[in-house]
Amino acid sequence: AQSVTQLDSQVPVFEEAPVELRCNYSSSVSVYLFWYVQYPNQGLQLLLKYLSGSTLVESINGFEAEFNKSQTSFHLRKPSVHISDTAEYFCAVSERGGNKLVFGAGTILRVKS
Amino acid sequence: EAGVAQSPRYKIIEKRQSVAFWCNPISGHATLYWYQQILGQGPKLLIQFQNNGVVDDSQLPKDRFSAERLKGVDSTLKIQPAKLEDSAVYLCASSLGLAGGHEQYFGPGTRLTVT
Repeated sequence: AQSVTQLDSQVPVFEEAPVELRCNYSSSVSVYLFWYVQYPNQGLQLLLKYLSGSTLVESINGFEAEFNKSQTSFHLRKPSVHISDTAEYFCAVSERGGNKLVFGAGTILRVKS
Repeated sequence: EAGVAQSPRYKIIEKRQSVAFWCNPISGHATLYWYQQILGQGPKLLIQFQNNGVVDDSQLPKDRFSAERLKGVDSTLKIQPAKLEDSAVYLCASSLGLAGGHEQYFGPGTRLTVT
């Protein structure tokens, strides 16, 4: 069975500063990895995913995540955050070939001006 | 395209009462999921349908929870009788199919408070 650990429940950061949201997973089989985002009063939506190929994946709004198999990590980074990035971010994993998602507990990113 | 629809958005009931939630997935999506999200935790899969068949209900508390997707489109999730620990947001999601990596699209959720 898979599990996901998000090491920080809340991350406060000033606008235009860099940020890293940490995610570690555990699995006995190969996995797919995802980051979902939930903006205030909205539903969960996919931010980015790693299925295969390049270990560095990017989103359209400047976030990136790198799959590190040896460290079983999939940390999310952004070099310069905006107020509008304030949201809760969930890391999720599924078995390769399947699509049952196992989510972490989430990290609340609070961007301050 | 229209997103995943859920109703009601909010529900308050007393313990031992029953409640039902409704979900309409994105048109053409064969796979439908119900998740439970307790405050401070990530979503936990309760049940997964492929068309109108159950693929995975291993984490559904079957003594009180039931779900159906009779015509392979809309779905309902029922709790009877409710307990205090059932207070949570119930999320419905859909995807094109079972193959790995398909994006799951989530509805806005139903926030259930059991008093």
